[in-house]
Amino acid sequence: EDQVTQSPEALRLQEGESSSLNCSYTVSGLRGLFWYRQDPGKGPEFLFTLYSAGEEKEKERLKATLTKKESFLHITAPKPEDSATYLCAYILTGGGNKLTFGTGTQLKVEL
Amino acid sequence: ETGVTQTPRHLVMGMTNKKSLKCEQHLGHNAMYWYKQSAKKPLELMFVYNFKEQTENNSVPSRFSPECPNSSHLFLHLHTLQPEDSALYLCASSQSLGGYDEQYFGPGTRLTVT
Repeated sequence: EDQVTQSPEALRLQEGESSSLNCSYTVSGLRGLFWYRQDPGKGPEFLFTLYSAGEEKEKERLKATLTKKESFLHITAPKPEDSATYLCAYILTGGGNKLTFGTGTQLKVEL
Repeated sequence: ETGVTQTPRHLVMGMTNKKSLKCEQHLGHNAMYWYKQSAKKPLELMFVYNFKEQTENNSVPSRFSPECPNSSHLFLHLHTLQPEDSALYLCASSQSLGGYDEQYFGPGTRLTVT
């Protein structure tokens, strides 16, 4: 059965304390792995798409990486404004554009 | 956030009411989606439209009725809902269905069924 699991469920960091969020998946025919950020009461905001193992993408303090079994979202020297829920999702080859989401990691960055 | 707009942002309705949610995208996309987000659960895909045609109904109860009059507008008509239907309803759009493109989300409608 295709599924995606995110860990940890919640993470509390001090400002400047780097860490990584994990998204592990067991699917056949992964076409793309997506990362979104969601602030309370808002819709998810697109961050990255990764298409093949070994691929990496960066945006400000965030870097996403992809292997054959998991993806990581690395957060370097986070700031309080990075506090949000981070969601990963996948699309399967031949699956149209149907995103299947994980339950997310709730990140809190404190001063 | 202005790429995909949703109205209303908050809605409280009784189980016997009929209401509609509206979504509009200003991105020139051809595919539009409805998702449901309940507390502690992953986003659930409900419906998919491509060039105004419905291509996916993810076993959604008939009390939810989507409508897509053109590629820029999407509605979700609600009637005789249940309290468990209370959730955040999110609309999204993407360039197409075949390109595996990223989806852009609206801010959502927070629905409470009393």
